Amino acid sequence: AQTVTQSQPEMSVQEAETVTLSCTYDTSESDYYLFWYKQPPSRQMILVIRQEAYKQQNATENRFSVNFQKAAKSFSLKISDSQLGDAAMYFCAYVNQAGTALIFGKGTTLSVSS
Amino acid sequence: EAGVAQSPRYKIIEKRQSVAFWCNPISGHATLYWYQQILGQGPKLLIQFQNNGVVDDSQLPKDRFSAERLKGVDSTLKIQPAKLEDSAVYLCASSLIGGGKQFFGPGTRLTVL
Repeated sequence: AQTVTQSQPEMSVQEAETVTLSCTYDTSESDYYLFWYKQPPSRQMILVIRQEAYKQQNATENRFSVNFQKAAKSFSLKISDSQLGDAAMYFCAYVNQAGTALIFGKGTTLSVSS
Repeated sequence: EAGVAQSPRYKIIEKRQSVAFWCNPISGHATLYWYQQILGQGPKLLIQFQNNGVVDDSQLPKDRFSAERLKGVDSTLKIQPAKLEDSAVYLCASSLIGGGKQFFGPGTRLTVL
């Protein structure tokens, strides 16, 4: 069975600084997708970034980028120039090529200070 | 483009009562998911629909939970009777196809007393 592990329950960063959130996963499949979702206190789950496993190039969305290491089954999220609005719970998630439901990690709470 | 709609946003009930949640996915999205998110944890799938057929309900406690998706659009999730451990946020999500980007609704926070 596939699993997703986020080993950092909490992280903190100062405004304008850079922070990296870690995620590891376990799967025997070769084709799959990985995601980072942001969940602010409003509970709305917002897609931050998506990575296809067959692509070697790391995905980037403005200030958000990932470091995808397929052999190591590692998928970290880097947030550059952190803003107060980035404060939220961040979830790493996996879905296989067949399109089953997302498997989530337990999340990392990110706090941003001014 | 309208997002995923859910109602109600909050619900408080006594244990052994019944409750129902409603979800309207993004127009044209064939796949609909119900997730349960207990405080401090990541969401876990309860049931996945493809159009109006069930793809995966292996983690749905079928003795008390039921769900349907009539006409392949709206969906309802019901709990009867509720237990204290059902207190959670219930998230509905939809995607064009299974495996595609999933878009989430605002969730329903259920408190069982």
